[in-house]
Amino acid sequence: KAGVTQTPRYLIKTRGQQVTLSCSPISGHRSVSWYQQTPGQGLQFLFEYFSETQRNKGNFPGRFSGRQFSNSRSEMNVSTLELGDSALYLCASSLGEGSTEAFFGQGTRLTVV
Amino acid sequence: AQSVAQPEDQVNVAEGNPLTVKCTYSVSGNPYLFWYVQYPNRGLQFLLKYITGDNLVKGSYGFEAEFNKSQTSFHLKKPSALVSDSALYFCAVRAVLTGANNLFFGTGTRLTVIP
Repeated sequence: KAGVTQTPRYLIKTRGQQVTLSCSPISGHRSVSWYQQTPGQGLQFLFEYFSETQRNKGNFPGRFSGRQFSNSRSEMNVSTLELGDSALYLCASSLGEGSTEAFFGQGTRLTVV
Repeated sequence: AQSVAQPEDQVNVAEGNPLTVKCTYSVSGNPYLFWYVQYPNRGLQFLLKYITGDNLVKGSYGFEAEFNKSQTSFHLKKPSALVSDSALYFCAVRAVLTGANNLFFGTGTRLTVIP
């Protein structure tokens, strides 16, 4: 069974630009969550999509948005990039029930210069 | 509010010795608890979880964890450490009551196993 696939693995962008990250979950998983990992803030929850609907949202500005398609693939978009957005962005796939574990992709390393 | 504390940023242990990585949590109601491991430039790998039932749960690669409700702890253990266990370990919690699917993570503990 294929794991969670995130593309691209690495990305360098300039301040003010926007970026789109992609995540393909494990087949059969309907929930996709996004997390930001930085050395200073650790792992922080961005949002979760379940059956194409945003089900839960963390405490991030509106520049961070996402969507989920009918095949459960998800994209995350960050507009007007800031230096502080440099981070490892992780996507997690799960069946969507609280008792089930989430499986993570390898992440997209975003560097904003 | 939910939170997880990993009081040790760094744990060093000699190869072959038992290891413990500590985790305490705060959550309203019952928790779902998880341990993940992260190797350099990789995502998080699931190790084990506590949902309900037996307080001692066994997971991947010989790891186990003990749920202690009175101490609100969920420490990760392994009887005999390997050099390949050196990595960053994260404890995470979900609150059963909220029904939300997102995880709250601790700040991570870097485990170094010394040959």
